[in-house]
Amino acid sequence: QPVLTQSPSASASLGASVKLTCTLSSGHSRYAIAWHQQQPQKGPRFLLKLNRDGSHNKGDGIPDRFSGSRSGDERYLTISSLQFEDEADYYCQTWDTGVVVFGGGTKLTVL
Amino acid sequence: QVQLVESGGGVVQPGVSLRLSCAASGFTFSRYGLHWVRQAPGKGLEWVAFIRYDGSKNFYADSVKGRFTISRDDYRNTLYLQMNSLSAEDTALYYCVKESGVGEVFPTVFDFWGQGTLVTVSS
Repeated sequence: QPVLTQSPSASASLGASVKLTCTLSSGHSRYAIAWHQQQPQKGPRFLLKLNRDGSHNKGDGIPDRFSGSRSGDERYLTISSLQFEDEADYYCQTWDTGVVVFGGGTKLTVL
Repeated sequence: QVQLVESGGGVVQPGVSLRLSCAASGFTFSRYGLHWVRQAPGKGLEWVAFIRYDGSKNFYADSVKGRFTISRDDYRNTLYLQMNSLSAEDTALYYCVKESGVGEVFPTVFDFWGQGTLVTVSS
């Protein structure tokens, strides 16, 4: 089954953009993934699904500031015009037949 | 709007059983698969189990296989997780999560999460 690797932390300034990375394990570079956001003391929220062709489908009410992209075995979540409310943990997630896998999460700090 | 409300968590001793419930609303319950995902204190997310939209098959993480059972009641629009032989490693916030695609036969991507119910296993 695939393994997802995320950097434990990232930071960026208010109003700037940040690109978070999720790396798929060897042999799984064609997999689709999803991104979820977990703000402090809250349940997670689905942000978007990044499809195999690089297109993405967003969750309900997710602002245009959030977008997804891919390159090889890397999957990205880009957040533009950062706001303080974007300070959260971000998890990538994928699936194989009968199993779901999460990355370890990236804690984003907005400076 | 979609709502998923978990209940049934609490503090229990090692070795006992507990059943979690998730009351769902805002979507056609019988058309969607459902998941349980957990999060240990200060840790990341761990997928626990998935049940197909029609209840015909379940899938489990290795860490809970043989101890946990996911089930659903389409008349009550409720999802359940029966947890047996609990240990300290099962201490976590348990989330009920909706599968995004209609009629999916395998777990894929989630699109709505509940707020979770806390299970603490301690002697």
